[in-house]
Amino acid sequence: QLQLQESGPGLVKPSETLSLTCTVPSGTLSGGNYYWGWIRQSPGKGPEWIGNVYYSGVTYYNPSLESRVTISMGPSSSQFSLSVNSVTAADTAVYYCAGCVVGSNRFDYWGQGTPVTVSS
Amino acid sequence: SYVLTQPPSVSVAPGQTARITCGGNNIGSKSVHWYQHKAGQAPILVLYGDYGRPSGIPARFSGSKSGNAATLTISRVEAGDEADYFCHVWDSSDDHVFGSGTKVTVL
Repeated sequence: QLQLQESGPGLVKPSETLSLTCTVPSGTLSGGNYYWGWIRQSPGKGPEWIGNVYYSGVTYYNPSLESRVTISMGPSSSQFSLSVNSVTAADTAVYYCAGCVVGSNRFDYWGQGTPVTVSS
Repeated sequence: SYVLTQPPSVSVAPGQTARITCGGNNIGSKSVHWYQHKAGQAPILVLYGDYGRPSGIPARFSGSKSGNAATLTISRVEAGDEADYFCHVWDSSDDHVFGSGTKVTVL
């Protein structure tokens, strides 16, 4: 069972940038077997897909968030990252990182999630 | 945009059967995945591709589709099955879409 772990600030001020990192077991990211994604869940709502990144750096984003979101590999070889700029209270959510088997379009592995609150 | 609709809650007595529906336009043509999510824990894939069960998932969890709905059935419900369950499809226009989630309460 693959273990994923999200990390980052739990509180972000409105209009600033939310930055999170997901750490996976060493050697996993470069295998090419998975897309690596970010998903969030706001209070009282269902999960919302944010986007995916492939080990090559190719990215796929939710069209509704694409203008504010960047997902990238790194900073280390066992991490990938999420950045959401110009945040508002609507970005308050639990953020999950997940692994999606290439060709399956399902998320086989998830992190426990990290709560992020946008507030001044 | 593509929408998946789930009932907010389902209650079931231990040993009985819980059925959780996921409605969506033309869902019959899409591959449906189901996840179990307990508070504070990582979501777990319990069904993939409508009917497939990942390794380690009991056979009590099964899937079906009819018309514009997919159904996750949990047979012989146990206290440990109490969780939120959400469905998921990949749509060519909207990419990954998730249902609103159903809270299963074991009475």
